[in-house]
Amino acid sequence: DGGITQSPKYLFRKEGQNVTLSCEQNLNHDAMYWYRQDPGQGLRLIYYSQIVNDFQKGDIAEGYSVSREKKESFPLTVTSAQKNPTAFYLCASSTWDRGIMAGANVLTFGAGSRLTVL
Amino acid sequence: AQTVTQSQPEMSVQEAETVTLSCTYDTSESDYYLFWYKQPPSRQMILVIRQEAYKQQNATENRFSVNFQKAAKSFSLKISDSQLGDAAMYFCAYRSANDKIIFGKGTRLHILP
Repeated sequence: DGGITQSPKYLFRKEGQNVTLSCEQNLNHDAMYWYRQDPGQGLRLIYYSQIVNDFQKGDIAEGYSVSREKKESFPLTVTSAQKNPTAFYLCASSTWDRGIMAGANVLTFGAGSRLTVL
Repeated sequence: AQTVTQSQPEMSVQEAETVTLSCTYDTSESDYYLFWYKQPPSRQMILVIRQEAYKQQNATENRFSVNFQKAAKSFSLKISDSQLGDAAMYFCAYRSANDKIIFGKGTRLHILP
């Protein structure tokens, strides 16, 4: 079945350590997204990528980094520079097409990764 | 920059009744897309309904419908015949022409039996 796989589901990190969250999709979607979810804050966009080897900062990119070397994969690294990394992280993907129907396609989400900093 | 505002952090509705969730947004774009997503306790995000800004007709999906007021930049969600399974967080989302997608802070909907 096609979908998005995020791993690990739960992750614990000591302060000062970098950690990488995996996101893989087999939907042949061009665009991929990373969001952070905190209570009362909704989903906040960290990074997104419309195409391989290209990505854009979202609203809260500081302390995070991403790569898009393959269409299927969009890993997120939470660096030690991120001051409050404990959160629920959601990866999503979407088709992307220029033209009048661009944007009509919806996000498909992974099940999320819960990161806790000890 | 675009923003999405959901002014109701929580709402409650009696089972079988109708409820409307509010969403307003701010943008200078003319071509964009709006969505409502649902997040049940499992935390798996699910699309409820979508609306293209160039369409004047309001979108409808079974018991879910929207009231899209482009000039007022308002995009409310109406749930008819509320069911226990509708209890969830509901998020309004905006997709811009450059594929950036932002969300509001959400409204937690409680269904009272």
